[in-house]
Amino acid sequence: DGGITQSPKYLFRKEGQNVTLSCEQNLNHDAMYWYRQDPGQGLRLIYYSQIVNDFQKGDIAEGYSVSREKKESFPLTVTSAQKNPTAFYLCASSIAGGFNEQYFGPGTRLTVT
Amino acid sequence: QKEVEQNSGPLSVPEGAIASLNCTYSDRGSQSFFWYRQYSGKSPELIMFIYSNGDKEDGRFTAQLNKASQYVSLLIRDSQPSDSATYLCAVNIPLFSGGYNKLIFGAGTRLAVHP
Repeated sequence: DGGITQSPKYLFRKEGQNVTLSCEQNLNHDAMYWYRQDPGQGLRLIYYSQIVNDFQKGDIAEGYSVSREKKESFPLTVTSAQKNPTAFYLCASSIAGGFNEQYFGPGTRLTVT
Repeated sequence: QKEVEQNSGPLSVPEGAIASLNCTYSDRGSQSFFWYRQYSGKSPELIMFIYSNGDKEDGRFTAQLNKASQYVSLLIRDSQPSDSATYLCAVNIPLFSGGYNKLIFGAGTRLAVHP
């Protein structure tokens, strides 16, 4: 089955620790995206990548970092510099170009205390 | 000014009725428009997209686009309790560097279909 996987589903960390969220896709999509969602709010774009070894900052990139070493994988690191890291993190992918239909993974709910 | 606006709801409709969800956007360069359904605690699921003015139908769902008015809507016919969810409107905005484009999401409208 083709799809996007994210792990873990739930993640708990202490303040001051970096944490890496996994995103893998086997849809052969070129573009991948990271969003965060806070209660009652829309999705906000953190980082995106259209090709391997290239990525761009989204609207709220501060305190986050990414890598794109393989087409299938786009991990997100939430660093200790992110002031409000508790959120629902969503990874998405799409074909390059086209109408930009994005398909989402199941998400990772991060809680930092 | 928000780029994509939706009424937060809840929109409450009886089972079997038509639910009408609305969305306005500010960027006239937007080229394609998406409706996602999100159940509580789950990730968004793409249900429809539209890029030409007019209506596009898929089963019980109809998306309507009016670019002159910068307005997109989703109609759900014969609403079922299983349609109860938050519906997110997303608008594709082209970025002119490197061929990228990005989706801007509204905050969503919560739909409640009651038996």
